Amino acid sequence: EVQLEESGGGLVQPGGSLRLSCAATGFIFGNHDMHWVRQPTGKGLEWVSGIGSAGDKYYLDSVKGRFTISRENGSNSLFLRMKSLRAGDTAVYYCARGDPYGLGGFDIWGQGTMVSVSS
Amino acid sequence: DIQMTQSPSSVSASVGDRVIITCRASQAIGSWLAWYQQKPGKAPNLLIYAASTLQSGVPSRFSGSGSGTDFTLTISSLQPEDFATYYCQQGNSFPRTFGPGTKVDIK
Repeated sequence: EVQLEESGGGLVQPGGSLRLSCAATGFIFGNHDMHWVRQPTGKGLEWVSGIGSAGDKYYLDSVKGRFTISRENGSNSLFLRMKSLRAGDTAVYYCARGDPYGLGGFDIWGQGTMVSVSS
Repeated sequence: DIQMTQSPSSVSASVGDRVIITCRASQAIGSWLAWYQQKPGKAPNLLIYAASTLQSGVPSRFSGSGSGTDFTLTISSLQPEDFATYYCQQGNSFPRTFGPGTKVDIK
């Protein structure tokens, strides 16, 4: 079964750091673009960052310089290193697979991990 | 950045109704448009990609159309399991951007 499972969320103080992980199973991880999408409680979806199968990286302007996306194809894992966290970063963070059609959508999603930034 | 808008923001409908949701991009995106359904407490689920292609396993009562800047999602006969929030998303360029969502609830 094709699955994504996030971990690493939690409560952190403003200015703190967290590292999110996403474990992929059931597909050839290295062949797919991978992304992080977040959703504040009760609000809409916001794309945060993406990494191509070739390692090219993309970021939302508001997280550039603070968040770093990476992948380890050998362990089928995606990561998001977050530093200098702000209250506005509070959200459920989803790991999502880039669709296999190359059309910029996301066809597989994890269940999400909650990140809360508060003092 | 490409801005996505949706209308209506919410719609009340009954089982069996036809529901149409529109999505507009701030600049032309060809057919690089996806639609998602999200139920409370769950991750989004891809319904349609390339503006009009149904994702595998999605019921045929869902359909999409449009290109350029204007797109629609149609649910031909609303079923109880379709009450949810629907989002459009452009895949034409980075940053990927989503519409604000349309909540479909029970009349």
